[in-house]
Amino acid sequence: GQNIDQPTEMTATEGAIVQINCTYQTSGFNGLFWYQQHAGEAPTFLSYNVLDGLEEKGRFSSFLSRSKGYSYLLLKELQMKDSASYLCAVMGAAGNKLTFGGGTRVLVKP
Amino acid sequence: DTGVSQDPRHKITKRGQNVTFRCDPISEHNRLYWYRQTLGQGPEFLTYFQNEAQLEKSRLLSDRFSAERPKGSFSTLEIQRTEQGDSAMYLCASSSTAGRGLYNEQFFGPGTRLTVL
Repeated sequence: GQNIDQPTEMTATEGAIVQINCTYQTSGFNGLFWYQQHAGEAPTFLSYNVLDGLEEKGRFSSFLSRSKGYSYLLLKELQMKDSASYLCAVMGAAGNKLTFGGGTRVLVKP
Repeated sequence: DTGVSQDPRHKITKRGQNVTFRCDPISEHNRLYWYRQTLGQGPEFLTYFQNEAQLEKSRLLSDRFSAERPKGSFSTLEIQRTEQGDSAMYLCASSSTAGRGLYNEQFFGPGTRLTVL
């Protein structure tokens, strides 16, 4: 089975940096995804890691350590519009379904 | 708009009634997924199709739930004899196995929010 853990909620100040951690235990692994989801809207893709290391994409970076079953999403230069839920999801070995964590709600304050 | 679309966006029904939701994936995508999301939780996998074949069903999908994708394009999810515990957001996603990228990115629709009274 799959077990994915991430903090429930985080608060940060506009312009600051926030790091959202995700730990996972899976029976198969074909990559880890981060999605952003604003309230009442669909999840939108942010990043994908399948190899160890850091992937940088603008203000967002994602890191993966497969041996530790650990990933983080780093949000830099926080903006008010970054207030949303951030979902960590693992793709199983068959490369089909995603197993999601419970999501981390990030609140950006002025 | 060429993204994933779902209809209806909201559905309110009484316990015991049947409901059906529709999902139209991105046109060239051969895989289609259904997920369920309750408030404050991440999406949970329900089932997925590759073309018209339903390849996997979660144990969450009781016999009251049925999904079809008859022509390998749009899909429907039907819930019979709805219960209050069925109240959730039902999300559809699609992907392509013929993508040029390294990964099988899933694109999500806006969801159908079901409320069972």
